[in-house]
Amino acid sequence: EVVMTQSPLSLPVTLGQPASISCRSSQSLLHSTGNTYLSWYHQRPGQSPRRLISKVSKRDSGVPDRFSGSGAGTDFTLRISRVEAEDVGIYYCMQGTHWPALTFGEGTKVEIK
Amino acid sequence: QVQLVESGGGLVKPGGSLRLSCTASGFDFSDSFMSWIRQAPGKGLELISYISESGSTIYHADPVKGRFSISRDNTKNSLFLDMNSLRAEDTAVYFCVRPADSSFDFWGQGTLLTVSS
Repeated sequence: EVVMTQSPLSLPVTLGQPASISCRSSQSLLHSTGNTYLSWYHQRPGQSPRRLISKVSKRDSGVPDRFSGSGAGTDFTLRISRVEAEDVGIYYCMQGTHWPALTFGEGTKVEIK
Repeated sequence: QVQLVESGGGLVKPGGSLRLSCTASGFDFSDSFMSWIRQAPGKGLELISYISESGSTIYHADPVKGRFSISRDNTKNSLFLDMNSLRAEDTAVYFCVRPADSSFDFWGQGTLLTVSS
């Protein structure tokens, strides 16, 4: 099973300032197809998770462009260019390369300072 | 729009059984893999089962293998999770989720299972 490790696990942020979350996988997420199946999710308190980004950097429809994803191999990053109040919650990365056991990171809790 | 609505959660005693259901709308259900992901209270996300469009491919994660069974009825746009020999550690919110492009694009609101005596 591929282990996904996020850091930090807690991230106090200032409104309007940038923030970034790291996600590392125990194996390369480069698939034989040439795609890298790393996705990011945001879960607000009391809500279901929502996918933000798939395949490392592809933003979902309706996701603000202040969110961006980058990385390759085993190291990935989610960046928020300017944090807004609605961005609080828990962020998860997930690998979809190594089936059947798709795995999530532990989650990073983002809160406003 | 895509909607996934779970039902069937509740309070069950250890060793008991329960069936969760998920009704899908807004997309071609019979053309989609489907999955169940759970989240224990205050914890992270755990993929526990998925099933292919026809039901020919099924996966269950090790913690639930032999106790849980995923199935689907494409004529009713419905996904099911039959859970037996329930344990306290199965207590969680169970989400019905649509896989897409090796990620999960639509999530239901979840249904809470509590296993306690």
